[in-house]
Amino acid sequence: NAGVTQTPKFQVLKTGQSMTLQCAQDMNHNSMYWYRQDPGMGLRLIYYSASEGTTDKGEVPNGYNVSRLNKREFSLRLESAAPSQTSVYFCASSGKDRASNYGYTFGSGTRLTVV
Amino acid sequence: GNSVTQMEGPVTLSEEAFLTINCTYTATGYPSLFWYVQYPGEGLQLLLKATKADDKGSNKGFEATYRKETTSFHLEKGSVQVSDSAVYFCALRLDRGSTLGRLYFGRGTQLTVWP
Repeated sequence: NAGVTQTPKFQVLKTGQSMTLQCAQDMNHNSMYWYRQDPGMGLRLIYYSASEGTTDKGEVPNGYNVSRLNKREFSLRLESAAPSQTSVYFCASSGKDRASNYGYTFGSGTRLTVV
Repeated sequence: GNSVTQMEGPVTLSEEAFLTINCTYTATGYPSLFWYVQYPGEGLQLLLKATKADDKGSNKGFEATYRKETTSFHLEKGSVQVSDSAVYFCALRLDRGSTLGRLYFGRGTQLTVWP
């Protein structure tokens, strides 16, 4: 099925550990995004990539890095995990053409706990 | 700046009750407006959208009208069902400028419908 695939679905890290969240889309979308979702805070943009080869900071980039590996893949890395990074992480992609109204497709999320 | 404010939840209703979730926005241009829905354990799905003033978006019995004069996009449904229990997010997107394609989300409203 076409869409956005995120891995892993669940992860528990110890403080100071590192990990990479993977995201891939098969809709030939140009833009990809990483959000975090916290209770009462809605979705906050961490980083985004408007096109292959470019990345930009969102609202809450501190403690994260991203890589737009190719048009399909956009990974999020936590170099030294902190308890404040306990959250649900969503990857999304969107098409560039106005005809699709830049429709967003979201992955099913990664639930990360840092202890 | 660009932001979305939506009514805080949780909202608890009986089946067949009327639903309104208020959403207002602030934008530096002329945004497109969206409602997304998140069912438990899943990612966000587009519920409906409106791209210009006075447009009405509708889907699955839900409706919202883009009101430029009041900068609002309130979500309504005449008769809710238990299966409508979810978190609802209002969002805006600007179609011009450096933030082209980015979505700005409200904090979400939890809806619970009892039989």
